[in-house]
Amino acid sequence: DQQVKQNSPSLSVQEGRISILNCDYTNSMFDYFLWYKKYPAEGPTFLISISSIKDKNEDGRFTVFLNKSAKHLSLHIVPSQPGDSAVYFCAASAGANAGGTSYGKLTFGQGTILTVHP
Amino acid sequence: KAGVTQTPRYLIKTRGQQVTLSCSPISGHRSVSWYQQTPGQGLQFLFEYFSETQRNKGNFPGRFSGRQFSNSRSEMNVSTLELGDSALYLCASSLAAQGTEAFFGQGTRLTVV
Repeated sequence: DQQVKQNSPSLSVQEGRISILNCDYTNSMFDYFLWYKKYPAEGPTFLISISSIKDKNEDGRFTVFLNKSAKHLSLHIVPSQPGDSAVYFCAASAGANAGGTSYGKLTFGQGTILTVHP
Repeated sequence: KAGVTQTPRYLIKTRGQQVTLSCSPISGHRSVSWYQQTPGQGLQFLFEYFSETQRNKGNFPGRFSGRQFSNSRSEMNVSTLELGDSALYLCASSLAAQGTEAFFGQGTRLTVV
C-alpha cells in the first residue's frame, strides 16, 4: 500500500522554463510534507516543506502547493536550471495524533527524475 | 554548522557477517531516524530514536537494530547479513520527531557479497 505516490517517473524541461513535480497521498493523518533533491549514492538534500495549515510555501525558485481536499501537492521550480537535474522525492509525516507509529517516520514517494536541458 | 555525518561511506561485507553503521546528527538535534534505500523498494523507514529511546520501528526483521547515545549519536547494526541487505543506508536528524525538517547524511553504501 503506497501511501505517497509520484506518478511521473521522469520529467524533461528546457532551461528557464517551469518544472512542476507532482505528488499524491492517501493517508489523511499526514500533516507535514517535504521535498528532497537527491543524486545517486548521496543522501537527500532538503528543499522545502509545508504544513497542512498552509496551502503554499515559497523559498526562492521553489514553491510548494498543497491541496488537502485532493490530497495532492506539487513543487514548482522557476526558472529551471541545468543544476536542478536530479531525482526529486516528496515525503510526508503524520503528527503526534497519529500515535507512536508516526514518530520520526517520513513516508517517501518513488521519486521523479528531473532533467533540465540547456 | 556541521551537517549529519555518517561513517563509513562504503562497506563490503560477506553473507553471515554483521555490520555497524554510525551517524552523528546536527548539533542540537535529538531525533535520529534511519532509512534503507534500494532500487526496488525506494526509501524505507527503519527506526527512530529520541533521547536514547527507540520510539518507532519500521517493518524490518529483528536482524536490524540500533541505539542512540546520550550525545544523540546513533548506530545501527545488521546481523547475519543477507545479499538483500545490500543498500544505501541513510540517517536523518531533526529537532523534533514530527513537523520539522529532517536533514540527511551522505549515507553508507553497504554491499553484501
